[in-house]
Amino acid sequence: DAGVIQSPRHEVTEMGQEVTLRCKPISGHNSLFWYRQTMMRGLELLIYFNNNVPIDDSGMPEDRFSAKMPNASFSTLKIQPSEPRDSAVYFCASSLSQSSYNEQFFGPGTRLTVL
Amino acid sequence: AQSVAQPEDQVNVAEGNPLTVKCTYSVSGNPYLFWYVQYPNRGLQFLLKYITGDNLVKGSYGFEAEFNKSQTSFHLKKPSALVSDSALYFCAVRRDDQGGKLIFGQGTELSVKP
Repeated sequence: DAGVIQSPRHEVTEMGQEVTLRCKPISGHNSLFWYRQTMMRGLELLIYFNNNVPIDDSGMPEDRFSAKMPNASFSTLKIQPSEPRDSAVYFCASSLSQSSYNEQFFGPGTRLTVL
Repeated sequence: AQSVAQPEDQVNVAEGNPLTVKCTYSVSGNPYLFWYVQYPNRGLQFLLKYITGDNLVKGSYGFEAEFNKSQTSFHLKKPSALVSDSALYFCAVRRDDQGGKLIFGQGTELSVKP
């Protein structure tokens, strides 16, 4: 298995532009997670899905952020409009299920820079 | 509220010496505990987990961790450090009734010198 796939790996954009990050979870995994990593705030869970349904989006910073999972093999995280403070590494992770004992497998991340 | 603390931002160890990366947690109910490692410009990789049973858990790359309920700790250990172990290590906790949500510590930078 190729593991969790994220694209793009790097994104540089200007303030106000729309940004879309993409994730393909490991085949057969039913839960998908979006995280943000910054030096200041560490690793933060933004949102997670189980069986394509959003379960907890309490970590989504504000209305500029939205996430979708139209099918079991694809998810997007969109920021519109983007701001410099959104600059971070965004990770997608997947696990077999949302059961507490299942470990999560992380993708390589998307490094976002908003100028 | 759940929380995880990694009291050391950085740990320095000489190659061949034992290493310990500390983690304490605060959670009501039964905790599920995890260690992950992050190499530069990479995603997090799962190392090991404690769910139930034996308090000493063995994981990848020769790492192990000991669950101590009375001290609410889950320290990561390795008997003999390698230079290639140098990375950022994260402890994480999940409560048994909260499904997928993992709470991560702030991370500990491990540096192993030859």
